[in-house]
Amino acid sequence: ELKVEQNPLFLSMQEGKNYTIYCNYSTTSDRLYWYRQDPGKSLESLFVLLSNGAVKQEGRLMASLDTKARLSTLHITAAVHDLSATYFCAVDIKNSWGKFQFGAGTQVVVTP
Amino acid sequence: NAGVTQTPKFQVLKTGQSMTLQCAQDMNHNSMYWYRQDPGMGLRLIYYSASEGTTDKGEVPNGYNVSRLNKREFSLRLESAAPSQTSVYFCASSTTVGQPQHFGDGTRLSIL
Repeated sequence: ELKVEQNPLFLSMQEGKNYTIYCNYSTTSDRLYWYRQDPGKSLESLFVLLSNGAVKQEGRLMASLDTKARLSTLHITAAVHDLSATYFCAVDIKNSWGKFQFGAGTQVVVTP
Repeated sequence: NAGVTQTPKFQVLKTGQSMTLQCAQDMNHNSMYWYRQDPGMGLRLIYYSASEGTTDKGEVPNGYNVSRLNKREFSLRLESAAPSQTSVYFCASSTTVGQPQHFGDGTRLSIL
């Protein structure tokens, strides 16, 4: 059974500082996704990582994937208030017709 | 751009009542999914449909049934609602393996 662990589950950030969210998973997979969810809202796709060593960047967010370590990181550079949200990673379950296993989510609060 | 549309957005039921949650997508996606989201648990897959005419159980299928009515529509039915089914339900769709899932706005369901 594929397990996906995110840490930390809660992250209080100061504006202007850098932080990293980690996503570990338990079995082989080559595809990992990051989503953002604002309170009371739907999930928005941020990044799709499809191979070992993949790196994607959008604004202050950068995601990377190491399939050998079964680890993805979401790095936040110079945090700003607008980045306050819950971030989820999801791993594509191999040979499962596109089924995902989600992590529990990391709630991020950015304060001045 | 409608994307994935869920109805209703909110619903309150009494224990033992039945209801159907509706989901429709206009992106010509092959695969559709139903998740429930509970605090601290991420998203858990209830049922999915890899393609029109097929459905399969996910992680937490007990107490639910689904129908893939056509390529656009995928409904979730609670036959006899229980308080443990109080949750936020999300429908999602995707075009193929390796693509992100696109989510609807969710249905907030309370069972008293």
